Amino acid sequence: AQSVTQPDIHITVSEGASLELRCNYSYGATPYLFWYVQSPGQGLQLLLKYFSGDTLVQGIKGFEAEFKRSQSSFNLRKPSVHWSDAAEYFCAFMDSNYQLIWGAGTKLIIKP
Amino acid sequence: DAMVIQNPRYQVTQFGKPVTLSCSQTLNHNVMYWYQQKSSQAPKLLFHYYDKDFNNEADTPDNFQSRRPNTSFCFLDIRSPGLGDAAMYLCATSMGLAGGRDEQFFGPGTRLTVL
Repeated sequence: AQSVTQPDIHITVSEGASLELRCNYSYGATPYLFWYVQSPGQGLQLLLKYFSGDTLVQGIKGFEAEFKRSQSSFNLRKPSVHWSDAAEYFCAFMDSNYQLIWGAGTKLIIKP
Repeated sequence: DAMVIQNPRYQVTQFGKPVTLSCSQTLNHNVMYWYQQKSSQAPKLLFHYYDKDFNNEADTPDNFQSRRPNTSFCFLDIRSPGLGDAAMYLCATSMGLAGGRDEQFFGPGTRLTVL
């Protein structure tokens, strides 16, 4: 079955600390993977995407993600978080029917 | 700037009173999507259009309908809103590239309140 798992519902990080948000997928073909961010009451903004090639992809706002096929993972990282990074983060992949298969999301809380 | 626009941003309706949400895009994308998102949940796909071809998700209630009169516009009609339909409604577009190598662009959403 196709699915995305984000095991952490909430993560709390101190401002300036590093961040890693976990994402695991289950899909029978090459996944096209995405991380989206959603601030409260807003739409979804694409942070980064992986289609092929270099498994370490850079995104906006200083985020990066690494695709690991052997672990079926696409974890999101940032070396130093800012208070403005507080938001909900969604991992997803696009299936062959143009549909995004979503994880449940991880809410990031920043401690001052 | 090319973008996905949703109107209104906030909509209040009464229980059972039909409501229409609108979405327009300047990206000239082939595919348009409507999602429902409830608090602290992932978006749930309601339906999508590839050009004029309408694709309804199997579990989308009959209460929800959609129209796409042209490439740029897509509408979501809720015929008889119930309290459970209160949610954020997100419109998205994509080029519709073959094989899933595609990216969805989202509008800011319409927050629907049902009284």
